Amino acid sequence: GENVEQHPSTLSVQEGDSAVIKCTYSDSASNYFPWYKQELGKGPQLIIDIRSNVGEKKDQRIAVTLNKTAKHFSLHITETQPEDSAVYFCAASKNSNTGKLIFGQGTTLQVKP
Amino acid sequence: KAGVTQTPRYLIKTRGQQVTLSCSPISGHRSVSWYQQTPGQGLQFLFEYFSETQRNKGNFPGRFSGRQFSNSRSEMNVSTLELGDSALYLCASSLAGPSTGELFFGEGSRLTVL
Repeated sequence: GENVEQHPSTLSVQEGDSAVIKCTYSDSASNYFPWYKQELGKGPQLIIDIRSNVGEKKDQRIAVTLNKTAKHFSLHITETQPEDSAVYFCAASKNSNTGKLIFGQGTTLQVKP
Repeated sequence: KAGVTQTPRYLIKTRGQQVTLSCSPISGHRSVSWYQQTPGQGLQFLFEYFSETQRNKGNFPGRFSGRQFSNSRSEMNVSTLELGDSALYLCASSLAGPSTGELFFGEGSRLTVL
């Protein structure tokens, strides 16, 4: 069945360092890969997404890479700041027009000042 | 522009009871999805509604049901509650158009089953 594995489950970095979170998906038909950030007491919020016809996408300090052959994708955050501390979820979907996302288990990122 | 609104935010029920949760999507959004979030299972897809029709359904028992009204507002119902149904229930809306897949989540309804 559809499955998304996410690692690590927790990540602690010093302010200014980079953070990398990795995900692997099982369904080769997946073609849409969003990343969500969830702060305490709030719902997840989209921070970046990538479609299967693109290998890399960058938005300021955040970048996502996709390797379709290996079926994995990664989130890279550079120059981390304390406000980056949150839970990050990767997800995969077969169709970007549907609401059905298969989420990874989440990564709790702590950025120490 | 108002975000996704979920009510109630918190509720406590006992085993065997039923519960109804409500979700008002962002104005203009026609798709509403529901997710269950627990520490052990993470975020799991329940179902998605688009134009009052269920378009997708996750792997949850029939005790979990939902519906969408003509104004795109949605409700989900859980009958015969079990302890394991304790979770944060998140609603997300989207345009469901061909140009975007972004889901906008509400803050959730936290259900505790005693």
